[in-house]
Amino acid sequence: AQKVTQAQTEISVVEKEDVTLDCVYETRDTTYYLFWYKQPPSGELVFLIRRNSFDEQNEISGRYSWNFQKSTSSFNFTITASQVVDSAVYFCALSEWYNQGGKLIFGQGTELSVKP
Amino acid sequence: ETGVTQTPRHLVMGMTNKKSLKCEQHLGHNAMYWYKQSAKKPLELMFVYNFKEQTENNSVPSRFSPECPNSSHLFLHLHTLQPEDSALYLCASSQDGGTAGANVLTFGAGSRLTVL
Repeated sequence: AQKVTQAQTEISVVEKEDVTLDCVYETRDTTYYLFWYKQPPSGELVFLIRRNSFDEQNEISGRYSWNFQKSTSSFNFTITASQVVDSAVYFCALSEWYNQGGKLIFGQGTELSVKP
Repeated sequence: ETGVTQTPRHLVMGMTNKKSLKCEQHLGHNAMYWYKQSAKKPLELMFVYNFKEQTENNSVPSRFSPECPNSSHLFLHLHTLQPEDSALYLCASSQDGGTAGANVLTFGAGSRLTVL
């Protein structure tokens, strides 16, 4: 069975601190996709990144970086020099490679609060 | 209008009412989804439509009835709901590029449903 675990329910940091959001997944598939989405207070989930299971290169996009480690089934997300606008709920998600239904398995989300 | 639009944003209904949630996407996508987001639970996929055909029904009770008249519109008809159905209902769309597992979903802001 597929499962995504985000053990951190809530994280609170002060602006400019670095913060890492953990994501651990379980799947029997050898090929799959991993995603991160951000849900600001307005409600809509916003896509941040997609990685496939063949690509273990870390990725950096501005203040955001992602560390994918297949050996530990983890796909962690780091925000460097956090800002108040980063306050949101962040979801990690897993999808089978040939998923016919566009079915994403979401973690429970981590609520990040960045205080000024 | 851009992206994915959901109406109404908030809905309060009694257990004997009949109401509908509406979703419209302006992105030219060919797949649409309903997700349910309950407090303290991961997002749950309810229904998937590809090219107006329902391709996934994730064991959803019959009191929820989806309708997809065309690739741009998706409805969720609600009838005889229970208080535990209170949740945020999120609509999403994607362009199915063949490997559905890679689909990046664009979400609406959701309809907050309260069942009394």
